[in-house]
Amino acid sequence: ELKVEQNPLFLSMQEGKNYTIYCNYSTTSDRLYWYRQDPGKSLESLFVLLSNGAVKQEGRLMASLDTKARLSTLHITAAVHDLSATYFCAVDKMKAGKSTFGDGTTLTVKP
Amino acid sequence: GAVVSQHPSWVICKSGTSVKIECRSLDFQATTMFWYRQFPKKSLMLMATSNEGSKATYEQGVEKDKFLINHASLTLSTLTVTSAHPEDSSFYICSARGTYRMSLLYTDTQYFGPGTRLTVL
Repeated sequence: ELKVEQNPLFLSMQEGKNYTIYCNYSTTSDRLYWYRQDPGKSLESLFVLLSNGAVKQEGRLMASLDTKARLSTLHITAAVHDLSATYFCAVDKMKAGKSTFGDGTTLTVKP
Repeated sequence: GAVVSQHPSWVICKSGTSVKIECRSLDFQATTMFWYRQFPKKSLMLMATSNEGSKATYEQGVEKDKFLINHASLTLSTLTVTSAHPEDSSFYICSARGTYRMSLLYTDTQYFGPGTRLTVL
């Protein structure tokens, strides 16, 4: 059974600081996703990572994938309040066609 | 990006009634749709996967007779919560994968609907 673990689950940080969210998964997978969810809203797709060593960046967020370590990271650079949200990683098991989600990391950025 | 809509956005109903939630893909052909439920401050739990024209595949522990899923066309899937009870209150989210109509390019990305908040009194 594919398991996906995120840490930390809750993160409070000050504006301007950097931090990394980690996503570990238990078995070989096709691809890894990062999503953002605002309170009361649905999920917004941030990144899709397909291969070992993949790195994608959008604004202050950068995601990377190490398939050998079964680890993805979401790095936040110089956080701003607008980044406050819950971030989920999700992993597709090979050829299964469906995603398994981590528990989410709730990020609060304080001024 | 592709757009997925859900209707209604929220619904409040009495215990024992049935509620239907629609999920539509607006600019691509959704060959596969997923239904999730999410409890407050929790992660998404996959309920079922449906492929157009075939029966849905339910995850372990999800009652097929309680949560009826129909994926009759490439643009529409419905989830019916039958004889709803307060413990069915949740945030239900659909997502879709498929092929863009204009380009015929298949996308593996899941596009999520805005969600439906169900409250059963």
